[in-house]
Amino acid sequence: DAGVIQSPRHEVTEMGQEVTLRCKPISGHNSLFWYRQTMMRGLELLIYFNNNVPIDDSGMPEDRFSAKMPNASFSTLKIQPSEPRDSAVYFCASSYDQGALTGQYFGPGTRLTVT
Amino acid sequence: KNQVEQSPQSLIILEGKNCTLQCNYTVSPFSNLRWYKQDTGRGPVSLTIMTFSENTKSNGRYTATLDADTKQSSLHITASQLSDSASYICVVSGNNRLAFGKGNQVVVIP
Repeated sequence: DAGVIQSPRHEVTEMGQEVTLRCKPISGHNSLFWYRQTMMRGLELLIYFNNNVPIDDSGMPEDRFSAKMPNASFSTLKIQPSEPRDSAVYFCASSYDQGALTGQYFGPGTRLTVT
Repeated sequence: KNQVEQSPQSLIILEGKNCTLQCNYTVSPFSNLRWYKQDTGRGPVSLTIMTFSENTKSNGRYTATLDADTKQSSLHITASQLSDSASYICVVSGNNRLAFGKGNQVVVIP
């Protein structure tokens, strides 16, 4: 299995631009998570889906952030408009049954820099 | 206040030595506690998962302990290797929420 696939791996954009991050979870997993990681705040859960349905989006910072999961094999995290404080590494993770027993499998991350 | 506190924030150890990382939490109700290892530039990788009834769980040279009464966990690394240099993140699950520690940064030197 290729593991969780994220694209792009690096993104540099100017403030105000729209940014779309993509994730392909591991086949057969029914839970998908989006995280943000910074030096200051560590790892933060933004939102997670179970069976393609958003379950908890309380970690989404504000309306500029939105996430979708149109099918079991694809999810996007969109930031519009982007701001310099959004610069971070964004991880996607997937698991079976919310990872209660098996843990979550993380992708390699997308390093976002907003100038 | 963060619901998961890890200590020490960082440490340097000699190759071959043992070390212990601490995780204290206030999450309640408690479901499970996980330790992840994150190499630089990579996503976290699960090391252990423990539920309320489990006191100890091992994964190779990594041994995690859990005291649900005192809400404390530790991760012990035996005979450290250079490849153990990483950040170790404690994640506590409860009430369908996840709480994250900021990690213990471990550097193993030859």
